[in-house]
Amino acid sequence: GEDVEQSLFLSVREGDSSVINCTYTDSSSTYLYWYKQEPGAGLQLLTYIFSNMDMKQDQRLTVLLNKKDKHLSLRIADTQTGDSAIYFCAEYMNSGYSTLTFGKGTMLLVSP
Amino acid sequence: EAGVTQFPSHSVIEKGQTVTLRCDPISGHDNLYWYRRVMGKEIKFLLHFVKESKQDESGMPNNRFLAERTGGTYSTLKVQPAELEDSGVYFCASSQEDTMLYGYTFGSGTRLTVV
Repeated sequence: GEDVEQSLFLSVREGDSSVINCTYTDSSSTYLYWYKQEPGAGLQLLTYIFSNMDMKQDQRLTVLLNKKDKHLSLRIADTQTGDSAIYFCAEYMNSGYSTLTFGKGTMLLVSP
Repeated sequence: EAGVTQFPSHSVIEKGQTVTLRCDPISGHDNLYWYRRVMGKEIKFLLHFVKESKQDESGMPNNRFLAERTGGTYSTLKVQPAELEDSGVYFCASSQEDTMLYGYTFGSGTRLTVV
């Protein structure tokens, strides 16, 4: 099975909140990340959370981590059309190699 | 500072041909990584350089892929001969330290299409 799973598509209206969910399987994950990819652009690090945290807030972004259920979510408040992009969840396991395991990405479409 | 630069941005080649992708990391970054995303799939790790040495190449799919980083600056990823399943977006990333505290900086990717 896949290590990191995400729903593939989310559609919201401008001004609404968006919640993108992610589940991971490795309980030894130490860092979890959200990356954003806009069309034609690279992967932009949006935010990250340490595994010993439950929540992290950064302006319109709120990350929630439920270690028991291995569930990570990204909430975007007051979603704008410029937030339309693919959002990737990624985990890092402290196995001695600094590699990331990504999900397939969630395409967020924000309509006016 | 300039970001991670990749070129070409797009490449369309025929099956059996050779393609070389190039990545210029952020100046001074010792760590350089290659990842790829096959259409609709996850972004998967290919390999990791520390300076000119391969730290981890466990993600390289087969011996048709050859990565180099001579001199510890830019890196190339050669696919020879290319197959249809090699189509996807190849991302390069770099970091100054071997730490995952802030993740690392990705380039815009090279979209490879093998026809």
